[in-house]
Amino acid sequence: AQSVTQLGSHVSVSEGALVLLRCNYSSSVPPYLFWYVQYPNQGLQLLLKYTSAATLVKGINGFEAEFKKSETSFHLTKPSAHMSDAAEYFCAVSQYGGSQGNLIFGKGTKLSVKP
Amino acid sequence: KAGVTQTPRYLIKTRGQQVTLSCSPISGHRSVSWYQQTPGQGLQFLFEYFSETQRNKGNFPGRFSGRQFSNSRSEMNVSTLELGDSALYLCASMGGAGAGNGELFFGEGSRLTVL
Repeated sequence: AQSVTQLGSHVSVSEGALVLLRCNYSSSVPPYLFWYVQYPNQGLQLLLKYTSAATLVKGINGFEAEFKKSETSFHLTKPSAHMSDAAEYFCAVSQYGGSQGNLIFGKGTKLSVKP
Repeated sequence: KAGVTQTPRYLIKTRGQQVTLSCSPISGHRSVSWYQQTPGQGLQFLFEYFSETQRNKGNFPGRFSGRQFSNSRSEMNVSTLELGDSALYLCASMGGAGAGNGELFFGEGSRLTVL
């Protein structure tokens, strides 16, 4: 069965600092992996996705993630944090190779950005 | 292109009542999934409908049900409400004929409070 673990429920960085949000997955099949962002009182927005093509995936708003099969990881990074990046971030894995709508989500990491 | 629309955005019910939530997917999307989001359990998959048929179901009691109409609009119903049903209910649609690419487009959610 697939699962996702996000290390750290809260991460705080200074504006301009590196953002690193950790995600480890467990999957019995080649995984489709996703990062979503949720701003207060809003739904989820897709940041980026890994679908077995390039292992380094670039997303919106300057975020990227690297798929590392040997480490079963899909960490999210951004070189320089901006105040507008403050939100909650969710890592997710698809159970059916991306063909169906049931994703397994991690518990989320709330990112705070200090001025 | 209009996004995923959920109604109502906010509602308050009392224990024992029932509630119906509505979701209009992005035009052309045939898959609609529902998720429950709570602070304690995070994001949990409820069910997915594709072409009016339920093709996936999460681990929720039978009080939670849904349906999809021929225009792909979906409704979910919760009967005999319990305090623990208080949550943000998110709807997501996915495009692609048959096999999608796994990318879910989320609505802003319906926030249900049960008193």
